[in-house]
Amino acid sequence: EPEVTQTPSHQVTQMGQEVILRCVPISNHLYFYWYRQILGQKVEFLVSFYNNEISEKSEIFDDQFSVERPDGSNFTLKIRSTKLEDSAMYFCASSERASGGALRETQYFGPGTRLLVL
Amino acid sequence: GNSVTQMEGPVTLSEEAFLTINCTYTATGYPSLFWYVQYPGEGLQLLLKATKADDKGSNKGFEATYRKETTSFHLEKGSVQVSDSAVYFCARLVQGAQKLVFGQGTRLTINP
Repeated sequence: EPEVTQTPSHQVTQMGQEVILRCVPISNHLYFYWYRQILGQKVEFLVSFYNNEISEKSEIFDDQFSVERPDGSNFTLKIRSTKLEDSAMYFCASSERASGGALRETQYFGPGTRLLVL
Repeated sequence: GNSVTQMEGPVTLSEEAFLTINCTYTATGYPSLFWYVQYPGEGLQLLLKATKADDKGSNKGFEATYRKETTSFHLEKGSVQVSDSAVYFCARLVQGAQKLVFGQGTRLTINP
């Protein structure tokens, strides 16, 4: 069964460093998402991406964050200058479509990248 | 607003007990609703979903019915197993946007 994959599974970085988290969405999906989960807290939406541009972003997704689909398969989240509070599990997700009541709006999640900023 | 509220955890049950995890949502219209499960050390897995009022989602013995009159989507299982120990997240799709809003999660522990 197709699945979303993410690399790396764990990343440790120093405060102020740039990190790039990578995702390979399910191949026929058109909508891509990033969420994060700070330890012990709820899962929070960061950004959605369709047709090579951001569709929606949360207030968390400030100028330090960017997303890109550099080729036909990868979807990346870049944090330019990491802060301690960026430590979290980052989940990538994808769906065939965004909404509309059909089952194809279901978002499938990857296993996550655990980011630790020291 | 577009919030999702789950019952406070943690929940601890014995094997073969009946499980209910409450979930209510606020919304205009009829958003699609989901339950995701996160097993220890793993990511989020879709457990079940319902896309319209009175739909019942089911998977692995779990069920949830979309109740528009009570704006609820409670998760139930008739007889839990130790392997069901995980964190369960209720979520709704925000109509017109492209995001899921999650509840705070309910940690479930099943003892043998």
